Amino acid sequence: AQSVTQLDSQVPVFEEAPVELRCNYSSSVSVYLFWYVQYPNQGLQLLLKYLSGSTLVKGINGFEAEFNKSQTSFHLRKPSVHISDTAEYFCAVSNTGGGNKLTFGTGTQLKVEL
Amino acid sequence: DAGVIQSPRHEVTEMGQEVTLRCKPISGHDYLFWYRQTMMRGLELLIYFNNNVPIDDSGMPEDRFSAKMPNASFSTLKIQPSEPRDSAVYFCASSFRTGWSSPLHFGNGTRLTVT
Repeated sequence: AQSVTQLDSQVPVFEEAPVELRCNYSSSVSVYLFWYVQYPNQGLQLLLKYLSGSTLVKGINGFEAEFNKSQTSFHLRKPSVHISDTAEYFCAVSNTGGGNKLTFGTGTQLKVEL
Repeated sequence: DAGVIQSPRHEVTEMGQEVTLRCKPISGHDYLFWYRQTMMRGLELLIYFNNNVPIDDSGMPEDRFSAKMPNASFSTLKIQPSEPRDSAVYFCASSFRTGWSSPLHFGNGTRLTVT
């Protein structure tokens, strides 16, 4: 079975500053990795995904993530955040062999301040 | 496309009452998922369907919970009888037949409060 750890429950950051949201996973098989974003009172939306190929993945809204197999990490980054990026971010993993059963992390609340 | 549609958006009920949550997935999606989100437990997968057939219901907390998908465009999650600890936001999500690599499309959720 796979698992996901998001070490930071909250990350405060000033507008236009860079941010990194950390995600580590555990799995005995190959995985697919995802980042989702949840705005207040809404469902989750896909930010980006890693399936195979280049380890640097670019997503919507200027976010990117890097898959690091040796460190079993998939950290999310943005070079300059905006107030509108304030939301909760979830890392998720599914194994390559099974059905579409995602395991989500506990989420990181990103709060962008002026 | 209207996206995944859930109803109602909010539900307040008294302990012991039956609650039915509804979901209309995106047309053409073969997978449908029910998730529950709470502060304590985060996002939990309750059950998922493929082509209207329940595939894995191991996340359903107990027999008080049941889910059905009578056709490709409709699913329900029922709690009978409801208890205060069932209070949470319940999300429905759907995805394409490619399954494991397809992103999930979530509805806006139903916020359930059981008093």
